[in-house]
Amino acid sequence: DAGVIQSPRHEVTEMGQEVTLRCKPISGHNSLFWYRQTMMRGLELLIYFNNNVPIDDSGMPEDRFSAKMPNASFSTLKIQPSEPRDSAVYFCASRGGTGGQETQYFGPGTRLLVL
Amino acid sequence: KQEVTQIPAALSVPEGENLVLNCSFTDSAIYNLQWFRQDPGKGLTSLLLIQSSQREQTSGRLNASLDKSSGRSTLYIAASQPGDSATYLCAVRSGNTPLVFGKGTRLSVIA
Repeated sequence: DAGVIQSPRHEVTEMGQEVTLRCKPISGHNSLFWYRQTMMRGLELLIYFNNNVPIDDSGMPEDRFSAKMPNASFSTLKIQPSEPRDSAVYFCASRGGTGGQETQYFGPGTRLLVL
Repeated sequence: KQEVTQIPAALSVPEGENLVLNCSFTDSAIYNLQWFRQDPGKGLTSLLLIQSSQREQTSGRLNASLDKSSGRSTLYIAASQPGDSATYLCAVRSGNTPLVFGKGTRLSVIA
């Protein structure tokens, strides 16, 4: 398996523009997570899905952030409009398995810079 | 609410030394615990997962232990190498919920 795939790997945009981050989880995994990581705040959970259904989006900072999971193999995180304070590394992770062995795997991240 | 603490925040050791990284959590009713490694500018790599019913897990020079009753886990690294330099994160899961992460320990192994 190729692991969790994220695109783009790097994104530079100007304030006010729409940003869309993409994630392909590991095949067969039924949970998907979006995180944001900054030096100041560390790793923050934004939202997670079980079986394509959003379970908890309390970590989404503002209404400018939205996430979708239209099917088991694809998810997007959208920021509209983007602001400089959104600059961070955004990670997608997926989890699957049973019986306590549900290891969580992370993608390589998307490094976002909003100017 | 589960809280995970990792001490120390940073650690510098000479090559070859055995070392222990500590992780503590406030709610002992956990489902499993996972240790990750993160290299600068990279994603998180899973190192070891310990189920709540287990006491330890081993992978190569790494050994992770779990003491649920005291809310503690340790990651033991034997014969440290410069390539072990990274940030190590501990994360705890309670039930069908997301992992709760500590802030990590930044390890530097000096040649």
